Amino acid sequence: KNEVEQSPQNLTAQEGEFITINCSYSVGISALHWLQQHPGGGIVSLFMLSSGKKKHGRLIATINIQEKHSSLHITASHPRDSAVYICAVNTGNQFYFGTGTSLTVIP
Amino acid sequence: GAGVSQSPSNKVTEKGKDVELRCDPISGHTALYWYRQSLGQGLEFLIYFQGNSAPDKSGLPSDRFSAERTGGSVSTLTIQRTQQEDSAVYLCASSPSSRWESPLHFGNGTRLTVT
Repeated sequence: KNEVEQSPQNLTAQEGEFITINCSYSVGISALHWLQQHPGGGIVSLFMLSSGKKKHGRLIATINIQEKHSSLHITASHPRDSAVYICAVNTGNQFYFGTGTSLTVIP
Repeated sequence: GAGVSQSPSNKVTEKGKDVELRCDPISGHTALYWYRQSLGQGLEFLIYFQGNSAPDKSGLPSDRFSAERTGGSVSTLTIQRTQQEDSAVYLCASSPSSRWESPLHFGNGTRLTVT
């Protein structure tokens, strides 16, 4: 049983498409993070959420605490968005990670 | 200023040897986290420090793993009697505090290969 489930596992999109990646979790959390891992391995923190919605450029993250669900949206996707997107939840003492969504945006 | 620095960037060791991995967090960051990512696998949380204290060590995979942090700064992750299944990228992250609203800053990781 995984505490954090992400879907889809793999996603291929045409440049310009609107993309949604979903994350569901089963534990009580203090915060949820969306991380981006590019080929080569570097990890960047995109968002940290405890409620509501955050927007940064073409990226939007939402969280529904009651439903234990978060979504990451990418508008007007671009090939440089190709990466693995990882959902992570912080329970206050531990982090649990989703297995990641591998996104490929084709020009 | 500098980001989170990890050393070495790559380490190849023979099975049974001990290894020590180092993490230099961003100056002033009180919280420090260790994770690992095995080939083709997701991220796995190992341990976190608030200051020099590690409130929860249950994420460490076995008693061959230990971690310490001194002076509220540099942390070392030590793996004794390495096994092939220890091969992974070991990642460190720091944040200004362990409060939920603190963002994570990741290092580039140490790629450990146990032969």
